[in-house]
Amino acid sequence: EVVLTQSPATLSLSPGERATLSCRASQSVDRYLAWYQQKPGQAPRLLIFDASNRATGIPARFSGSGFGTDFTLTISSLETEDSAVYYCQQRKIWPPITFGQGTRLEIK
Amino acid sequence: EVQLVESGGGLLHPGESLRLSCAASGFTFRTYGMNWVRQAPGKGLEWVAYIRPDETAVHYADSVNGRFTISRDNAKNSLYLQMNRLTVEDTAVYFCARGQTQTNNWFDPWGQGTQVIVSS
Repeated sequence: EVVLTQSPATLSLSPGERATLSCRASQSVDRYLAWYQQKPGQAPRLLIFDASNRATGIPARFSGSGFGTDFTLTISSLETEDSAVYYCQQRKIWPPITFGQGTRLEIK
Repeated sequence: EVQLVESGGGLLHPGESLRLSCAASGFTFRTYGMNWVRQAPGKGLEWVAYIRPDETAVHYADSVNGRFTISRDNAKNSLYLQMNRLTVEDTAVYFCARGQTQTNNWFDPWGQGTQVIVSS
């Protein structure tokens, strides 16, 4: 099973700042990594797939990078609406499809 | 508009059974892989099961293998999850999620979820 480890667990930043979220895989997943955003009481939403491709309707301030075992989600200029929990997910080696434990992003 | 609507959640005792449903609309259901994903209270996301468009393959998480069965009715645009021998650890919100495209299985979109509570 591929274990995904996200860091930091919590991130507290101000509007307009840049957020950098990390996801590390226990073995290579090539580019088969996605990022999801989940706001309280809502279903998750796909942000980034195949490591660096934005899903339909996702603002350009969200970007993804990485390959193999180390991946990054960057939010270039934070808005208050970006407050959420962010999960990474891999589908290179499955079953099982696995998720990271999440990073909580707070906008001060 | 692509839409997924789950139903069937409830409050049960350990050992009981429950069947969840997911009604799909706004896309050609029979051509997409489908998944169930769950989220225990205050916890992260856990993939539960996957079914191919033509039902020729299904996959399960170890935690539910042998107790849960994923199925679909392409004529009714519906996905199901039969859950047997439920335990308190199965308490969660259960989401259905579509494969992003007909050739990949990123989860997009998701339904709003249905709550399952297992308690003695």
